[in-house]
Amino acid sequence: DVKVTQSSRYLVKRTGEKVFLECVQDMDHENMFWYRQDPGLGLRLIYFSYDVKMKEKGDIPEGYSVSREKKERFSLILESASTNQTSMYLCASRSDSLRQPQHFGDGTRLSIL
Amino acid sequence: QQQVKQSPQSLIVQKGGISIINCAYENTAFDYFPWYQQFPGKGPALLIAIRPDVSEKKEGRFTISFNKSAKQFSLHIMDSQPGDSATYFCAASGTGANNLFFGTGTRLTVIP
Repeated sequence: DVKVTQSSRYLVKRTGEKVFLECVQDMDHENMFWYRQDPGLGLRLIYFSYDVKMKEKGDIPEGYSVSREKKERFSLILESASTNQTSMYLCASRSDSLRQPQHFGDGTRLSIL
Repeated sequence: QQQVKQSPQSLIVQKGGISIINCAYENTAFDYFPWYQQFPGKGPALLIAIRPDVSEKKEGRFTISFNKSAKQFSLHIMDSQPGDSATYFCAASGTGANNLFFGTGTRLTVIP
């Protein structure tokens, strides 16, 4: 079974802090994704990566950056956290084969005070 | 701009009833339409998916109906059970595209 592990289930940070969310997958997938999930807005793509050191902006990249130094690990960085970044963050991975499903972690609920 | 529009936002169904969730899209380049199911405290997981060359796909109690001309697709859950209570997301993507466009989600509650 594919396992996508997000390092924290809950995280509380202060405005202006630099925040790191970590995600690790164990299936050697080429593609990894970061989403945020908000009530009534569904899942919105922040960034995705199709290879080590490669990244592409999603629909809402402002205020975020990402890092993929190793194939199995994809990090989401909030450069200077703001209260409007309080949300559920979901990481996913997917193989390069066409039409394979995305496999999601269980999410990190981030609160910015 | 929402690429995939999903309704209703929430749905309450009696046990044994039929749950129906609808989605619509505009981009005719979309050619893959998965549905994801999310239980509280968990990430979404693929439930069932369809391509536009078929009008219906059934897996157990779950059926996707697809209407290419209307650019609409829907999920039907027959004989709904309390264990089906979850949030359901429709999604769409195009050929060669890496990312999925998700609907806003439907919270389904099946009451005994």
